[in-house]
Amino acid sequence: GAGVSQSPRYKVAKRGQDVALRCDPISGHVSLFWYQQALGQGPEFLTYFQNEAQLDKSGLPSDRFFAERPEGSVSTLKIQRTQQEDSAVYLCASSPILNTGELFFGEGSRLTVL
Amino acid sequence: DQQVKQNSPSLSVQEGRISILNCDYTNSMFDYFLWYKKYPAEGPTFLISISSIKDKNEDGRFTVFLNKSAKHLSLHIVPSQPGDSAVYFCAARAGSARQLTFGSGTQLTVLP
Repeated sequence: GAGVSQSPRYKVAKRGQDVALRCDPISGHVSLFWYQQALGQGPEFLTYFQNEAQLDKSGLPSDRFFAERPEGSVSTLKIQRTQQEDSAVYLCASSPILNTGELFFGEGSRLTVL
Repeated sequence: DQQVKQNSPSLSVQEGRISILNCDYTNSMFDYFLWYKKYPAEGPTFLISISSIKDKNEDGRFTVFLNKSAKHLSLHIVPSQPGDSAVYFCAARAGSARQLTFGSGTQLTVLP
């Protein structure tokens, strides 16, 4: 499709398990963002890539969170040793390099940690 | 400390009437503001934006007003339609920063 694609849509993990969430951005969009949205809250910034370069990871809540975009296209957000507080919807968004702030969001990956 | 605040979690409006959604911010470095709309089980979609050099931007039924001195913006939808029922997020960006700071959202329900 032409939009941002995320997988899996739903993930249930036991506390302590590692998870990997995938984002396939819109073709040609060089900027890619990850946001975390807790229940009843707005999205919160996690990290930003321009092509394969991770230019800002100031929003990652701990060193258990790791993101990569090795070829400047698909990105993976990995969470190690998941905790209950990691339960949230993880949103990926992409934008053209000269964007004015308009982000194109995927449908999100809902992570539930038991 | 929430830098972007949407103090009304929900709003109900009759079809055909005006919907007014409000947003306040505290960071004086914010200079670009956006509204996103979100349906259940979908990602947010961009609706309208405004730069701090303007005080109004209009796109069809949607108008955003910015009051810099009050650090307040609002989204007006006229006339409201049932298909407008969704969660609306206010977002802001500071200078050359790429990330957006979002409010907690307002659930708009337009009653037929």
